[in-house]
Amino acid sequence: DGGITQSPKYLFRKEGQNVTLSCEQNLNHDAMYWYRQDPGQGLRLIYYSQIVNDFQKGDIAEGYSVSREKKESFPLTVTSAQKNPTAFYLCASSGVGSSYEQYFGPGTRLTVT
Amino acid sequence: QQQVKQSPQSLIVQKGGISIINCAYENTAFDYFPWYQQFPGKGPALLIAIRPDVSEKKEGRFTISFNKSAKQFSLHIMDSQPGDSATYFCAASPAMGTGRRALTFGSGTRLQVQP
Repeated sequence: DGGITQSPKYLFRKEGQNVTLSCEQNLNHDAMYWYRQDPGQGLRLIYYSQIVNDFQKGDIAEGYSVSREKKESFPLTVTSAQKNPTAFYLCASSGVGSSYEQYFGPGTRLTVT
Repeated sequence: QQQVKQSPQSLIVQKGGISIINCAYENTAFDYFPWYQQFPGKGPALLIAIRPDVSEKKEGRFTISFNKSAKQFSLHIMDSQPGDSATYFCAASPAMGTGRRALTFGSGTRLQVQP
């Protein structure tokens, strides 16, 4: 069953704790992305990676970190430096080259209290 | 220049009617324009997409109209059904080698189709 998996679906953390969100894909896509979605707003790009061991900051990278050690995996760490971390986090992937189509995972809803 | 402006914010349509959602962009390097459909608590799903070399693309009840000179594109949902009730996002991405290869999203339109 091909696709993008994100875990967990719901995540609760205390303020001041770092938390890592998982994203795995078996679509053999080279590019992976992390977006944040807040109520009433569109998706905002946090980080993206076009190839293994390389990634770039998006529009709202402050307080977040990523790694891309494997093609299939692109974990996102929400650090204690992120001032307002409660949000819905979406991971996506796409092929590189002629394929623009970007596919999304089911999302992780993070609540920090 | 990275912005994509989407309107309306919300839309109520009667069953069988036409739903129209509009988007406008500034960045002339954009050359791929997808629309996504998102149900509550789910990830967005790719619905339909267009490139600037055509002015219209139709897939079933969904049609994208594209106006390159005005830098605008729109989604038309014909014969709207209650099952179409969702949030719709337009997006845009530049061509290879001309900028950041990631989608820039509009703010979304919440569509409600009344039975």
